[in-house]
Amino acid sequence: DVVMTQSPLSLPVTLGQPASISCRSSHSLVYSDENTYLSWFHQRPGQSPRRLIYKVSNRDSGVPDRFSGSGSGTDFTLKISRVEAEDVGVYYCMQGTHWPHTFGQGTKVEIK
Amino acid sequence: EVQLVESGGGLVQPGGSLRLSCAASEFTFSTYWMSWVRQAPGKGLEWVAHINQDGTEKYYMDSVKGRFTISRDYAKNSLYLQMNSLRAEDTAVYYCARDGGKDWGQGTLVTVSS
Repeated sequence: DVVMTQSPLSLPVTLGQPASISCRSSHSLVYSDENTYLSWFHQRPGQSPRRLIYKVSNRDSGVPDRFSGSGSGTDFTLKISRVEAEDVGVYYCMQGTHWPHTFGQGTKVEIK
Repeated sequence: EVQLVESGGGLVQPGGSLRLSCAASEFTFSTYWMSWVRQAPGKGLEWVAHINQDGTEKYYMDSVKGRFTISRDYAKNSLYLQMNSLRAEDTAVYYCARDGGKDWGQGTLVTVSS
């Protein structure tokens, strides 16, 4: 299985400051159709996950533009340009290129 | 707005069976891949099973192969997960998800315990 490794696992942030989460995969996530199926999800306590980013850098509808995704191959990053209080929770990267699809361990974002 | 509503969870003894359902609405059910994803208490997410638009391709995580079966009913716009030979480690909230996780249901809790 493709192993997804996130860092850091815990991220204390200051409101209004930027934040960045790294995600590395054990195999290239470039699919035969030349797309890279790497997504980012946000989960607040007691809620279902919400997808923020798909195919590395595409924001889902309704996702604030302070969220951005980048990367290629095996190295990916989620950035929040200015953290807001509603951004707390756990962030997961997920690869959808290889079966079984796999998630990273999760990064818990909290306000300092 | 897309709606995915799971049901069928509950308490079951080890070795028992459960059938989860996911009622889908407000989108054309037959045109999307559908999946089941689970989350054990206090843990991360695991992609359990995946079925393509016409039901001809099904994929399972290794630990559920041979025990779980994913299926879909187009007349009822519903997704199912038949779970047999349940183990304690299958205890989790099970989510129904559409199209690579674009939309999720609220989840249904499955507890496997004697």
